[in-house]
Amino acid sequence: EAQVTQNPRYLITVTGKKLTVTCSQNMNHEYMSWYRQDPGLGLRQIYYSMNVEVTDKGDVPEGYKVSRKEKRNFPLILESPSPNQTSLYFCASSLLWTGNTEAFFGQGTRLTVV
Amino acid sequence: DAKTTQPTSMDCAEGRAANLPCNHSTISGNEYVYWYRQIHSQGPQYIIHGLKNNETNEMASLIITEDRKSSTLILPHATLRDTAVYYCIVRGTDSWGKLQFGAGTQVVVTP
Repeated sequence: EAQVTQNPRYLITVTGKKLTVTCSQNMNHEYMSWYRQDPGLGLRQIYYSMNVEVTDKGDVPEGYKVSRKEKRNFPLILESPSPNQTSLYFCASSLLWTGNTEAFFGQGTRLTVV
Repeated sequence: DAKTTQPTSMDCAEGRAANLPCNHSTISGNEYVYWYRQIHSQGPQYIIHGLKNNETNEMASLIITEDRKSSTLILPHATLRDTAVYYCIVRGTDSWGKLQFGAGTQVVVTP
């Protein structure tokens, strides 16, 4: 089954403790991205990757890092999490980055930073 | 990317067609109209997209006006499981893959 898998689904952590949210897709997609969703602000793109070793900032990249060493994986790294990064996170992938392809989203990771 | 305007909310009776409007008056020639939905904090789900012509798939139909300034998503026989927030997004080839989500339309399907 074609899918985007995020782990963990829920995470509670403390300020400053490094964490990684993993994202994996099994569709051989070139394009992957991370979004965060906050009440009243909607879904906003954090980082994206157009292919292996090609990443770039989205609209809200501060406090986050990403890497794309393999095509299928696109982890989101919070080196020093802060409470304002408490949010619902979604990973997405699509075949290409152009305007004629659909995106597949993971089920989300609910992160709480205390 | 062109901005979109959608109603904040709408109700629909189960079994009836749900018609969701979207205005995108500043759309340009290379921009597609996409529809996604999000069921209660789950990951957004792709529904359908189109450029100029009307489109239909197993989930819905997309009607785009001739001037492309507005579109309507039609769910032909709404079920309770169609209760969700529906997002209309306009995206061009120069968007670098980003989907610009707005507030969407909260659709509630009632028995």
